[in-house]
Amino acid sequence: QQPVQSPQAVILREGEDAVINCSSSKALYSVHWYRQKHGEAPVFLMILLKGGEQKGHDKISASFNEKKQQSSLYLTASQLSYSGTYFCGLPYLNDYKLSFGAGTTVTVRA
Amino acid sequence: DADVTQTPRNRITKTGKRIMLECSQTKGHDRMYWYRQDPGLGLQLIYYSFDVKDINKGEISDGYSVSRQAQAKFSLSLESAIPNQTALYFCATSGGYGDGYTFGSGTRLTVV
Repeated sequence: QQPVQSPQAVILREGEDAVINCSSSKALYSVHWYRQKHGEAPVFLMILLKGGEQKGHDKISASFNEKKQQSSLYLTASQLSYSGTYFCGLPYLNDYKLSFGAGTTVTVRA
Repeated sequence: DADVTQTPRNRITKTGKRIMLECSQTKGHDRMYWYRQDPGLGLQLIYYSFDVKDINKGEISDGYSVSRQAQAKFSLSLESAIPNQTALYFCATSGGYGDGYTFGSGTRLTVV
């Protein structure tokens, strides 16, 4: 039931782009994205709702494909501050408790 | 003050001891959650509460119990701590549909 994230890790140079995918074996109602810096709490980035638009947060955006049961997070023109572990969170059915993926660790180097 | 406050931040305890982790929030939300984080496993749901009278088990509730003392307070207890409960524990709160979670800073628990 846990969402599957890929890749597990990615290393970027400043200015490069990356895509993180989150897949579900069940129908999606919404998708949350969070970023966690080392030693800190996860921080909410955005939520995508069924039938909603693509969302953005700075140069980080995401899409939600209901038919494919997956969401993708796009890191565009990455900055050093984008480093961290990114988690997607999916609700069980249409309930509001989230099941989180194992995370994708992003390292941005100068 | 932080929106979600967890105490203690760090704790080392011995096997077999009972320990309580506390969480309080100032967001005014009804929904509160306890998650456990282990390296490489993401966040696993232990217990959740959608209001003061509503307590539900999550994926990994064995060995844990909770108490919702008020809308703002949600405590997690380990009745008899064991070493494989060594982990980082997060409390979170959320509003209704369409609202993200706000997490506390976490409690790093070590059971020796």
